[in-house]
Parts: sequence; structure tokens; C-alpha cells
Amino acid sequence: QQQVKQSPQSLIVQKGGISIINCAYENTAFDYFPWYQQFPGKGPALLIAIRPDVSEKKEGRFTISFNKSAKQFSLHIMDSQPGDSATYFCAASKGSGTYKYIFGTGTRLKVLA
Amino acid sequence: NAGVTQTPKFQVLKTGQSMTLQCAQDMNHNSMYWYRQDPGMGLRLIYYSASEGTTDKGEVPNGYNVSRLNKREFSLRLESAAPSQTSVYFCASKSAGSDTQYFGPGTRLTVL
Repeated sequence: QQQVKQSPQSLIVQKGGISIINCAYENTAFDYFPWYQQFPGKGPALLIAIRPDVSEKKEGRFTISFNKSAKQFSLHIMDSQPGDSATYFCAASKGSGTYKYIFGTGTRLKVLA
Repeated sequence: NAGVTQTPKFQVLKTGQSMTLQCAQDMNHNSMYWYRQDPGMGLRLIYYSASEGTTDKGEVPNGYNVSRLNKREFSLRLESAAPSQTSVYFCASKSAGSDTQYFGPGTRLTVL
């Protein structure tokens, strides 16, 4: 059962544009929402994460927007660059010692030069 | 620090063969995880170990076994490989005081 739905599956953006990736979750017990970035042939690496007590978190060109009532969160990449071309995964987990993640299916982003 | 390391990087098996994927971390993390990544499926948790001496099933444990050898090492064993186990396998670890999982570079496994 897929508990975190991610869209779109792929995304092409011009250099300097805004990339937006959306995720929706079902389990209201989730309380930690990370985004991971994965380059070809590499393991995923944490990009940015948010907890439900805030509606937005910004780190450089990357912003997470969180809508608790809609059970949705999204990643915005401002001024997208060719070096941002990668696969992005959202995830969700419940507060516990092990923090088991449920991942979305991934979005392959290509930024055109 | 090397972080999370995985061996081998690539492996080809025939159906029915067995093998063990190795994972080690040098960050003194308590929790370790094994995921598989398949196209269009994201990453799915196979097994995890909350701390040394404990292991638990994740979302897709069938066909796999794990061993938490010590605090540093967490291995994944395929007793009788099947083509459905063709995938990229990632190991991850996390410290007790953090929310973040750190991933290794992955093992690409093909079962013929």
C-alpha cells in the first residue's frame, strides 16, 4: 500500500525556472518529512526536511511548503540549474527511535541549459 | 570518515544462488537499514536494525535475511536468489539523536 504519493514522475525545466514536486500522504501520524536528492549511480542524500509545526522551510534555493490540513507537502527549487538534474524522493516517517521512512516513487528532474 | 560503505558494487547471480551484501558505517550510528530501489517504486524497506542485537522486518522482507554483526556492520543475505530480486540495494544508517538517514552508494544486483 503506497502511503506517500509523489508527482510528477518526470519534470523538464529551463535553466533559471522553478521546479515544483508534490507529495501527498495518508497517515496523520507522520511527523517528519525529508526530501532526498539522488544523482545517477549514487545513493540518496538528504536535501531538506520539515516537521508539521511549520508551514515552510527554506534552505538556499530549496523550499519545502507544508499543508497539514491537506496532508500535502512540496519541494520548490528556485532558479533551477543544470546541476540540479537528479531524481528527487519525498519521504515520511512517524516519531519513533528508528524513524522508518516511507518513500514516494521519485521524480526525475532535468534542467535544460 | 568513509560514511556508509557497501560491497560489492555490482553482482550477477544465477537463479538459486546465494550471496551476502555487506554494509558498514563508521559514524557510530545505532540504527541501520536495508532498502531496495526499483524503477517507478521508489525505495522500499527490506529490514532494519534499531540497535545492535535487534532486527525487524520492513515492507518487503520475503526472500531476505539480515545479520547485525556488531554496531558497525549490517549484512543482507539472499539464500536462493530469484529474478524478482534484481534491483539496486541501499544500506543506510542513523544516529539515535538525529532524524536523518545516511545512505551508502548501493549494490546493483542482477539475477538471471
